[in-house]
Amino acid sequence: NAGVTQTPKFQVLKTGQSMTLQCAQDMNHEYMSWYRQDPGMGLRLIHYSVGAGITDQGEVPNGYNVSRSTTEDFPLRLLSAAPSQTSVYFCASSYSRGLLTEAFFGQGTRLTVV
Amino acid sequence: KQEVTQIPAALSVPEGENLVLNCSFTDSAIYNLQWFRQDPGKGLTSLLLIQSSQREQTSGRLNASLDKSSGRSTLYIAASQPGDSATYLCASNQAGTALIFGKGTTLSVSS
Repeated sequence: NAGVTQTPKFQVLKTGQSMTLQCAQDMNHEYMSWYRQDPGMGLRLIHYSVGAGITDQGEVPNGYNVSRSTTEDFPLRLLSAAPSQTSVYFCASSYSRGLLTEAFFGQGTRLTVV
Repeated sequence: KQEVTQIPAALSVPEGENLVLNCSFTDSAIYNLQWFRQDPGKGLTSLLLIQSSQREQTSGRLNASLDKSSGRSTLYIAASQPGDSATYLCASNQAGTALIFGKGTTLSVSS
């Protein structure tokens, strides 16, 4: 059972380039989300999805797009990379059993924009 | 808007000491509260999940408590070991989906 898998683990982009961070989960979880982690800022929510075909914005959505065509995959797209998007990105998934909604995280993608 | 605060930001203790990490939140209407561990350069590992109807959860040397009325949760680590050195994050779940995180407490246990 792989859990939540993120690729790539490391990436360097030039300002203005676009790229897609991949996230896949094999636990049949309904909910998936993307966070970014910056020093002194903690983890902040970028976008989330409550099921295939449904997405919504989090706290810091600008500059990012998401889509959810399948239950398993939730890619995060950077449209035109900026140095301010240098960060560590984490994808998470969670199931829902009433109030019991435990989140599981991937190992992260460390992105540097130069 | 929910705000989650963790105090202290950093903590250093000698091996064998019992310790408490604190987490406070402003909105008591939470579904659950989850504690994570993060090692440097690594992802988040779930330690304990406390549902809103529960008062505490235990796993090995770890015990987490939840007091919704006061907006507080604590993570108690018994007989600390150097391997416990990491950053500990708490996160509240407001609507059963995304999490609101505190900034974490970085723990260093010296041998």
